[in-house]
Amino acid sequence: EDKVVQSPLSLVVHEGDTVTLNCSYEVTNFRSLLWYKQEKKAPTFLFMLTSSGIEKKSGRLSSILDKKELFSILNITATQTGDSAIYLCAVEAGTSGTYKYIFGTGTRLKVLA
Amino acid sequence: GAVVSQHPSWVICKSGTSVKIECRSLDFQATTMFWYRQFPKQSLMLMATSNEGSKATYEQGVEKDKFLINHASLTLSTLTVTSAHPEDSSFYICSAKGMGKAFFGQGTRLTVV
Repeated sequence: EDKVVQSPLSLVVHEGDTVTLNCSYEVTNFRSLLWYKQEKKAPTFLFMLTSSGIEKKSGRLSSILDKKELFSILNITATQTGDSAIYLCAVEAGTSGTYKYIFGTGTRLKVLA
Repeated sequence: GAVVSQHPSWVICKSGTSVKIECRSLDFQATTMFWYRQFPKQSLMLMATSNEGSKATYEQGVEKDKFLINHASLTLSTLTVTSAHPEDSSFYICSAKGMGKAFFGQGTRLTVV
């Protein structure tokens, strides 16, 4: 059965701290791994990773994928209170015409002022 | 970026009635759309994959006669919760794949009283 596991489940840090969120997966026919940020409503897209070892960066956020060890990390440096959210990892898996996105449990991040 | 519009954003209905939720891709064509359900403080649970012009593929444990999905065009998929009961109260989110990524609608909070 396809599975995506995130850790930790929740995290509380202070502004300025750096956090690392983890996502491991076991799926058949891996296509890509995506990170999303969910605040109050729908998740918003952060990164899509398809190749191992290539870091994606956007401001204070960065992410990397290891397809050999089947995991990805999302780093947030110099955290701010606005980073408080649920961070979701999703893996797109399947073959042409039958793919789907499998979501992890999410990591609930709270950044204190 | 790609925009997915979901309507309504919230709905309250009486037990036994049916509710229809619409999901539209506004600036791209989506041959495949996904419907998720999210319980409080939990991740997204895939309910079904909706393919334009064909029957939806339901995940195990999801009643296809209760959650009717129609994907009549490349920009519109609908989810109808039939004979709704209080246990169907939840946050329902659709997503559509565009440019290799999944984009989400704003979600619909359904409350059945």
